[in-house]
Amino acid sequence: GDSVTQMEGPVTLSEEAFLTINCTYTATGYPSLFWYVQYPGEGLQLLLKATKADDKGSNKGFEATYRKETTSFHLEKGSVQVSDSAVYFCALMGNTDKLIFGTGTRLQVFP
Amino acid sequence: ETGVTQSPTHLIKTRGQQVTLRCSSQSGHNTVSWYQQALGQGPQFIFQYYREEENGRGNFPPRFSGLQFPNYSSELNVNALELDDSALYLCASSLGGEGSYEQYFGPGTRLTVT
Repeated sequence: GDSVTQMEGPVTLSEEAFLTINCTYTATGYPSLFWYVQYPGEGLQLLLKATKADDKGSNKGFEATYRKETTSFHLEKGSVQVSDSAVYFCALMGNTDKLIFGTGTRLQVFP
Repeated sequence: ETGVTQSPTHLIKTRGQQVTLRCSSQSGHNTVSWYQQALGQGPQFIFQYYREEENGRGNFPPRFSGLQFPNYSSELNVNALELDDSALYLCASSLGGEGSYEQYFGPGTRLTVT
């Protein structure tokens, strides 16, 4: 079945460092791909999405490119802030309307 | 535009009891999906309701059931609670049937089973 694999955390960075969180997927057909962010004690917020190969999703300085050849959707940010500290989830939506999530990657940014 | 709301925020139940969680979908949305997020894990799909009908179900036993009302709000019911049911329950609304892929999540209900 469809699945998502994320790099394990926590990822610990200093403020203004470059961020990469790896995400790969397994799916039949052409899924849509998403990154969600969860701040402490809160629900999930959609960060960005891409619906077809080579699409780049971007929001708040974060970017991710849908790479069909490597089945990847890595999340990047050029300069992280303390306020970016959260748990990040990669997810896909295939032929059904349900989201399949990875296990999440905790990001900790220190001043 | 009103976002997705859930009630209650927190709940403590005893093993064997029953619980009902509630979700109000975002204005204009006709689809509600429910997810269970165990501590330290990603959310797992429970089921989805589209225009008051169940529209897909994940790998959860029948003691997990749901409803969607004419105003598209929804309930999740869990019978015979088990300790492993302790989790954050998330509701997400979307505009199904229109090719929209975006699901908008509520803040969740934290259920603790003792």
